[in-house]
Amino acid sequence: EAGVAQSPRYKIIEKRQSVAFWCNPISGHATLYWYQQILGQGPKLLIQFQNNGVVDDSQLPKDRFSAERLKGVDSTLKIQPAKLEDSAVYLCASSETEAFFGQGTRLTVV
Amino acid sequence: GQNIDQPTEMTATEGAIVQINCTYQTSGFNGLFWYQQHAGEAPTFLSYNVLDGLEEKGRFSSFLSRSKGYSYLLLKELQMKDSASYLCAVRNDYKLSFGAGTTVTVRA
Repeated sequence: EAGVAQSPRYKIIEKRQSVAFWCNPISGHATLYWYQQILGQGPKLLIQFQNNGVVDDSQLPKDRFSAERLKGVDSTLKIQPAKLEDSAVYLCASSETEAFFGQGTRLTVV
Repeated sequence: GQNIDQPTEMTATEGAIVQINCTYQTSGFNGLFWYQQHAGEAPTFLSYNVLDGLEEKGRFSSFLSRSKGYSYLLLKELQMKDSASYLCAVRNDYKLSFGAGTTVTVRA
């Protein structure tokens, strides 16, 4: 069974630039999550989708972050403009019961 | 919101047993999960509890008490490869939230 796919694996950008991350969940998983994990901390939920609808985005900084899940499958997370404090690993996960994680995108903002 | 607390660090000797506690406060509880995360890697699923009691899976066991808002992960016969961060995660009606993680260091 194919796992959760994410790209890119690494990204380095300058502050105020924009960046986008892509996620392809496990086939058939209706729930998709985007987490931000800063070094030494646990994953912080940014947004959760059920099919193509948003069920929670309370911790998403909506002035700069946006996410969509078209057709209830793939999802993209965008940051525009990026700040230094956005440097983190961005994890995508999908689930039926337990969540399965992709390898993540390590973002460095300089 | 959900408050999830777990110790920051624990150290144990190879072959020993370690118990990682997790306490939580949430409404609409719908399951507790434990994940293992090695440095630089994504979290991987270890166990799931939704009813009170002990779930055993090989060297790893997880316990849940819903009335106390308490869970623990028990790691037996510790191996060097068990050195990692262990994350407690709680699902309420629809949202899956994680604690800060417990870094376990296994020493020879």
